[in-house]
Amino acid sequence: QQQVKQSPQSLIVQKGGISIINCAYENTAFDYFPWYQQFPGKGPALLIAIRPDVSEKKEGRFTISFNKSAKQFSLHIMDSQPGDSATYFCAARQPLLTGGGNKLTFGTGTQLKVEL
Amino acid sequence: DGGITQSPKYLFRKEGQNVTLSCEQNLNHDAMYWYRQDPGQGLRLIYYSQIVNDFQKGDIAEGYSVSREKKESFPLTVTSAQKNPTAFYLCASSILGQAYNEQFFGPGTRLTVL
Repeated sequence: QQQVKQSPQSLIVQKGGISIINCAYENTAFDYFPWYQQFPGKGPALLIAIRPDVSEKKEGRFTISFNKSAKQFSLHIMDSQPGDSATYFCAARQPLLTGGGNKLTFGTGTQLKVEL
Repeated sequence: DGGITQSPKYLFRKEGQNVTLSCEQNLNHDAMYWYRQDPGQGLRLIYYSQIVNDFQKGDIAEGYSVSREKKESFPLTVTSAQKNPTAFYLCASSILGQAYNEQFFGPGTRLTVL
């Protein structure tokens, strides 16, 4: 059962355009929503993250929009550049019951290609 | 240079063999995690550990085993019981006790069963 649904699976955008990736979740225990960026053959790296009490967070060209009532959140990449070509994963975090750790549930990923 | 190291980068295994993937971190993180990545399926949690000598199963633990004898090390053994072990394996770590603590990932090990 996929707890975090991500779309689209792949995306091609022209340089300078806006890339939009969407995610939806069901589990109301999720309390933090990070986005990871992964280049081929590398591990994912945190790109930007949002708490559910905030509707939008912007860092440079990257913006997360969050709709708590709809249980949806999205990543917008403004002025997309060829260097943004990578796989993007949304994730949702839930705290573990003991120990102070957390568990991330990932979406299936979106392969973004930014063309010149 | 602080970070997470995984070795080897590429690993080939014959069917029926157990193999162990290494994960070491010098970030002084308490928690460590193992994920498996397959095309089109995202990352799925195999095992995690929040303290030395303690670990818990994740969502897809069958056919895998781990140990946590030292804070900085969390090796993963892929056993012959894992029916489809070819995948990209990622180790991660995080601090405990703070809200919104980020998981940092290593560079991964690509395992191929021949």
